[in-house]
Amino acid sequence: AQKVTQAQTEISVVEKEDVTLDCVYETRDTTYYLFWYKQPPSGELVFLIRRNSFDEQNEISGRYSWNFQKSTSSFNFTITASQVVDSAVYFCALSEGLRDDKIIFGKGTRLHILP
Amino acid sequence: GAVVSQHPSWVICKSGTSVKIECRSLDFQATTMFWYRQFPKQSLMLMATSNEGSKATYEQGVEKDKFLINHASLTLSTLTVTSAHPEDSSFYICSAREWASYEQYFGPGTRLTVT
Repeated sequence: AQKVTQAQTEISVVEKEDVTLDCVYETRDTTYYLFWYKQPPSGELVFLIRRNSFDEQNEISGRYSWNFQKSTSSFNFTITASQVVDSAVYFCALSEGLRDDKIIFGKGTRLHILP
Repeated sequence: GAVVSQHPSWVICKSGTSVKIECRSLDFQATTMFWYRQFPKQSLMLMATSNEGSKATYEQGVEKDKFLINHASLTLSTLTVTSAHPEDSSFYICSAREWASYEQYFGPGTRLTVT
């Protein structure tokens, strides 16, 4: 069965600090997708990234970067030079199979960026 | 880009009444839609998978007679909460899977309050 663990329930950092959100996943499939979503107070999910299991390359998008390591079943997310607008709940998620089946979410990490 | 809408965005109803929530894919066809429920400060929990023209598949512990799902067209799925009770108060989010790319897009959510 698939499972996503986000051990950090809540994190607070001061603005401009770097912060890493951890994500560990479990799956029996060799083909799967990993996701990160941001959920601001409005509630609407904001898609950040989708990565398939065959692509272990790290990715950088502006201040955001992702480190995917199959050896440790981890897909960590780093925000560099954090800003107050980054305050939100961040969810890591997983879907199994070639055809992007149902997405299962981790419990989320609530991130507070303090001015 | 692909857009998924939900209607209503929020609803208040009295205990014992039924409420219908719509999920529409506005600019693409979705053979599959997913319904999630999110309680305050918790993660998104998958309730059911809805396939166009067939019966929905419910996750373990979700009452199918209470949460009626209808996916009558390639752009519309509805979730009806029957005989709603205060414990059904939650944030309901749908996602739609585009038939060709299999990418999923999330709606903005519907906040249900049962008094």
